[in-house]
Amino acid sequence: GAVVSQHPSRVICKSGTSVKIECRSLDFQATTMFWYRQFPKQSLMLMATSNEGSKATYEQGVEKDKFLINHASLTLSTLTVTSAHPEDSSFYICSARDSDRGSGNTIYFGEGSWLTVV
Amino acid sequence: AQKITQTQPGMFVQEKEAVTLDCTYDTSDPSYGLFWYKQPSSGEMIFLIYQGSYDQQNATEGRYSLNFQKARKSANLVISASQLGDSAMYFCAMRPSAHGSGNTGKLIFGQGTTLQVKP
Repeated sequence: GAVVSQHPSRVICKSGTSVKIECRSLDFQATTMFWYRQFPKQSLMLMATSNEGSKATYEQGVEKDKFLINHASLTLSTLTVTSAHPEDSSFYICSARDSDRGSGNTIYFGEGSWLTVV
Repeated sequence: AQKITQTQPGMFVQEKEAVTLDCTYDTSDPSYGLFWYKQPSSGEMIFLIYQGSYDQQNATEGRYSLNFQKARKSANLVISASQLGDSAMYFCAMRPSAHGSGNTGKLIFGQGTTLQVKP
């Protein structure tokens, strides 16, 4: 079963409104989570690294005031798209690292969220 | 600069045959991890296989094997006995610093390869 749960899977919002996407680690504590954005038929681009208890680290070119990230607990990170516009329509997907596992595949992805801004 | 390159935008394979998806990477880190993911049209990222840079043997997981050639910096995915359900987009990804304090879990992805399996 899924070890990282992302919600909602699909959301439609009106232009100018804000929408929140949640990413939860179910079986482990994640001090670090990652948010990616993916346009159709393209690669995943890292937006930001979500750090529990501290500010997120944003990649170059990502507007931190537009994409608000909060990592208030060891199992939950949220991405809020503020004042959404149609160009923000995209697939957003999170991942989390199980830091208790020393090596190998320690990264787990959520199911992803399709955002459509109308 | 750290980079993953997948040069095949699209690939076709006949059902039951094997197919190789190419991936080359660029990094100066001595320690790193390489991943392959399958992404069907639903969008979820399905983990297929992992290879650590210090692993001596090529990774295998069922019908998936990773042809790891460290000197050439390539990590090709081989899918044996293709099935119709294998049709999807495939991503190669790299995690810098597979071990130690530098292991944050951030992944760098290639452009992806769309695989279509023909009946």
